[in-house]
Amino acid sequence: GNSVTQMEGPVTLSEEAFLTINCTYTATGYPSLFWYVQYPGEGLQLLLKATKADDKGSNKGFEATYRKETTSFHLEKGSVQVSDSAVYFCALFESGGSNYKLTFGKGTLLTVNP
Amino acid sequence: DTGVSQNPRHKITKRGQNVTFRCDPISEHNRLYWYRQTLGQGPEFLTYFQNEAQLEKSRLLSDRFSAERPKGSFSTLEIQRTEQGDSAMYLCASSLGGGGTRHFGPGTRLTVT
Repeated sequence: GNSVTQMEGPVTLSEEAFLTINCTYTATGYPSLFWYVQYPGEGLQLLLKATKADDKGSNKGFEATYRKETTSFHLEKGSVQVSDSAVYFCALFESGGSNYKLTFGKGTLLTVNP
Repeated sequence: DTGVSQNPRHKITKRGQNVTFRCDPISEHNRLYWYRQTLGQGPEFLTYFQNEAQLEKSRLLSDRFSAERPKGSFSTLEIQRTEQGDSAMYLCASSLGGGGTRHFGPGTRLTVT
């Protein structure tokens, strides 16, 4: 079945540092890939997505590129801020068949210190 | 767009009691999902509605769990005879049509003592 593996957290960075959170996936077909973010006390929010190979999703300075050859969708940001402190979830969705199921990774907690 | 709302935000109950949670999706969204999230884990799918029809239930959803969406708008999730293992965050999400984009509510945190 489908699965998502994220790098283990927590990740602690200083403000303005470079961020990478690794995500790899296993899927039987051609999934769409997502990053969701959960700020403290809030629900998950869609951060960015990519629907096909080589697509780059971007939002709020975050980027991730859909790499089919390495089955990866790593999240990056060039300069993190304290306000980026949150839990980040990588997820995949495969259309067709059970077209409701969004499969999540375990999440990576990011803490950014001033 | 007022977002997805969930009530209550927190619920503490004693083992063996029944609890009910409510989810109000974004008004024009026809699909509604329930997830369970435990500490250090991503959301796990529980069940899914398209309008008022419950189209899929996870094997995580034991017989003690029941969900309804009677008029295709709000939904309720009931847990009967709660157990300590039911302690978790219960998330509701909605979407318009298919795809992987979901709008999540803030969740209901259940603690079973």
